Amino acid sequence: DTGVSQDPRHKITKRGQNVTFRCDPISEHNRLYWYRQTLGQGPEFLTYFQNEAQLEKSRLLSDRFSAERPKGSFSTLEIQRTEQGDSAMYLCASSRLGNTTPLHFGNGTRLTVT
Amino acid sequence: AQTVTQSQPEMSVQEAETVTLSCTYDTSESDYYLFWYKQPPSRQMILVIRQEAYKQQNATENRFSVNFQKAAKSFSLKISDSQLGDAAMYFCAYRSARGETSGSRLTFGEGTQLTVNP
Repeated sequence: DTGVSQDPRHKITKRGQNVTFRCDPISEHNRLYWYRQTLGQGPEFLTYFQNEAQLEKSRLLSDRFSAERPKGSFSTLEIQRTEQGDSAMYLCASSRLGNTTPLHFGNGTRLTVT
Repeated sequence: AQTVTQSQPEMSVQEAETVTLSCTYDTSESDYYLFWYKQPPSRQMILVIRQEAYKQQNATENRFSVNFQKAAKSFSLKISDSQLGDAAMYFCAYRSARGETSGSRLTFGEGTQLTVNP
């Protein structure tokens, strides 16, 4: 169990630029989640995959956001035309199937939009 | 939609003492799961304890226990014999038991920052 890894750890970008984050889940985990966390707040659900299928998307996920998990392994989250309000920590988590199985979180990618 | 509320933004406790963190939630569902997660500074969020709503018995994990009051929609976390390593942000979270879609997302509260004083 090497844990969930996210890359990069930090990203600073100018408003209007596109950014892409990567998440590598724990290898045997079917489910992969993306959350967004702003300072002093709890994580907000963005989207989740079961294997390669994107099963749910939050209304927070505007059309500027897109996530993929092409082979049911790693996932990418892309934000197009970034805005200052996109500045946040983007957390990835993975889990096995089952409603009581714990989510294993990565360290997150901190995005700063200037 | 389900909501989770943590009304204590900050709490502090003396080392070796006991502290209770509060959480309330709102749902129209009868079957669901509740969790407490811990997020230490600059470190990964980890699961502390979980409770199935259909179980009347309160969950315990070593020094951590919950007081689950289903009718009141309350789910508090008690930390006994507090240790310096318990200092972290604690999040209460809700998960529906329905299906594969809405049954899988976690809804988190705003968090409670716990300080442990030596």
